[in-house]
Amino acid sequence: NAGVTQTPKFQVLKTGQSMTLQCAQDMNHEYMSWYRQDPGMGLRLIHYSVGAGITDQGEVPNGYNVSRSTTEDFPLRLLSAAPSQTSVYFCASSLGEKLFFGSGTQLSVL
Amino acid sequence: KNEVEQSPQNLTAQEGEFITINCSYSVGISALHWLQQHPGGGIVSLFMLSSGKKKHGRLIATINIQEKHSSLHITASHPRDSAVYICAVAGNQFYFGTGTSLTVIP
Repeated sequence: NAGVTQTPKFQVLKTGQSMTLQCAQDMNHEYMSWYRQDPGMGLRLIHYSVGAGITDQGEVPNGYNVSRSTTEDFPLRLLSAAPSQTSVYFCASSLGEKLFFGSGTQLSVL
Repeated sequence: KNEVEQSPQNLTAQEGEFITINCSYSVGISALHWLQQHPGGGIVSLFMLSSGKKKHGRLIATINIQEKHSSLHITASHPRDSAVYICAVAGNQFYFGTGTSLTVIP
């Protein structure tokens, strides 16, 4: 039981590049979500999913896409990276009130 | 508009001191989490509360549902307690406070 596995841990992109942050969980959780964490702003919800085939936007969805083809995987795609997307990203999964986070991805966009 | 407010934002304590971090929220919730994040590290849930009080070792968390308020207490603080503590509430989605950065000095 690995919990929530998030990759990569670090990434540097140039403006305009695209990339995918991977998130997988092995706890059969229906709810998965992506957050970005910026200094002084706390965790902000980007996108979330309540089950396979269902996704919805959070507070700051612009510039990001998600899909949920399986219960286990919830990748986050940056379509055309911008410096404003420099942040630390966390994937989380939950079942009921139980909440688990991935280890985070530190992304820098130059 | 912040659904979750934490105080203080920053806290420095001497080793051994009793510490309290407060969290107030404005939305209806089914549960509240206290999360811990060490520098450069991941985020772990220390407690999940829906009522009353929970204790794990030197950490105590309380919640007052009527007043929409929770506190996290650390007794006999230690330098290894230095971390950011985040209050998160489970409503129709999770809402997070901005965190309290705690530094415990030996």
